[in-house]
Amino acid sequence: GAGVSQTPSNKVTEKGKYVELRCDPISGHTALYWYRQSLGQGPEFLIYFQGTGAADDSGLPNDRFFAVRPEGSVSTLKIQRTERGDSAVYLCASSLNPGGIMSTDTQYFGPGTRLTVL
Amino acid sequence: QQQVKQSPQSLIVQKGGISIINCAYENTAFDYFPWYQQFPGKGPALLIAIRPDVSEKKEGRFTISFNKSAKQFSLHIMDSQPGDSATYFCAASKTSGTYKYIFGTGTRLKVLA
Repeated sequence: GAGVSQTPSNKVTEKGKYVELRCDPISGHTALYWYRQSLGQGPEFLIYFQGTGAADDSGLPNDRFFAVRPEGSVSTLKIQRTERGDSAVYLCASSLNPGGIMSTDTQYFGPGTRLTVL
Repeated sequence: QQQVKQSPQSLIVQKGGISIINCAYENTAFDYFPWYQQFPGKGPALLIAIRPDVSEKKEGRFTISFNKSAKQFSLHIMDSQPGDSATYFCAASKTSGTYKYIFGTGTRLKVLA
């Protein structure tokens, strides 16, 4: 596909369980971002990957959250011991060449994964 | 200093009217300001973006006005249409170091037919 894809689209889990959310960026995009969007709010930054490495993980709320991008393409956001407060839409975005000319600064967002923790 | 303040929270406009959404930022290191449109159940999609070296950018019915000294920028939607009904987010980022977006809280626009 041409855009950023995320799976699953919806995830319902119970408090205390472990979940994995997957993001497939646009092919060739070196940068990948995870954001979290709570109801009625703007997206909030979680983590940024440049290639395989996490260049900025300052937005991860605590050590229950972890993300990987082992081959510099697909990324997985992992949440341990889920809490009801983790319920939100988790958005993934990718960009071609951050820091370059304006057209390559654009972040393209996927449709998100709606996580509900019961 | 990382906040981006957006207003109004919601906006109702008649078809054919002008929709205006305002944002203000504090961090003078921000140098990239995109606007995103989001429909229910969808991810945000880029509408238009500006850098602080220009005061205005127009693409079709959408215009960004930028006031660097006031640290404010706004989105104008001319000839608003019912299909424009969506939530709009402004954002700000730096084009060096980390490139994370700081988003405003969103404006829910409803254009009446």
